[in-house]
Amino acid sequence: GQSLEQPSEVTAVEGAIVQINCTYQTSGFYGLSWYQQHDGGAPTFLSYNALDGLEETGRFSSFLSRSDSYGYLLLQELQMKDSASYFCAVSHSGNTPLVFGKGTRLSVIA
Amino acid sequence: TAGITQAPTSQILAAGRSMTLRCTQDMRHNAMYWYRQDLGLGLRLIHYSNTAGTTGKGEVPDGYSVSRANTDDFPLTLASAVPSQTSVYFCASSDSANTEAFFGQGTRLTVV
Repeated sequence: GQSLEQPSEVTAVEGAIVQINCTYQTSGFYGLSWYQQHDGGAPTFLSYNALDGLEETGRFSSFLSRSDSYGYLLLQELQMKDSASYFCAVSHSGNTPLVFGKGTRLSVIA
Repeated sequence: TAGITQAPTSQILAAGRSMTLRCTQDMRHNAMYWYRQDLGLGLRLIHYSNTAGTTGKGEVPDGYSVSRANTDDFPLTLASAVPSQTSVYFCASSDSANTEAFFGQGTRLTVV
C-alpha cells in the first residue's frame, strides 16, 4: 500500500518563506508531485520530482530525498494568493494512478 | 484548449436514484481517473483507466462503476446513490509518462 503524511495546516506571513513537508511509504516509487488547490477550484500541477534534489520553478521549489522517503515544497516571497491547499502525491510506476496526501492548508497573513 | 470537461457542475440527487457523471478530455491522454474529495480526507481514487477498454479499482470503488469505450470519455455511474456518496468528484487525466495530471473542475454531488 501507499501512504503519505503532510501537515494539515500551516500559517505564514506575506513575503516570507514556507516549507511544506511530505513523507511517504510506498511499495514502489516512481515520482513525487505537488498540486495546488484554491477553495472551490480544481487541483493544479505545481512540480514533479523523480530524482533526488531540488527543482525550481519561479517562487516554488520542490525537493526529494528518495533514501529518506521525504520531500518538501518551498514557497518563497509568499503572496496572499498563495493561500490554498497543497497536496503531495506519489505514483509507484508510470502507469499507476497518483495517490494523494490529505493536503496542507496554507494561510498567508499580512 | 478545453482540457477536461465534467458535467454536471453540481447535482442534488435523491437516495436510491442512479446518476452518471460525465468526463471528457481532448488531450488524447491514455490514463484517466476519478477521485472523490471530502473534507479532511484529501483526494481518494475511485476508479481508473490506463487505456481505452481497460479499467481498474481504486481505494474506494464500492457503489461506483466506470467504462472506457474510447480515449476521450470516462463516465462514472452511481447505480443507487446513498448519502455517504455526497462529495466533490474530480475527473483527471495524464499522459503515458504520468508526470502530470490534469483535473476537471469537479462535480459537487449531494445525495439526500
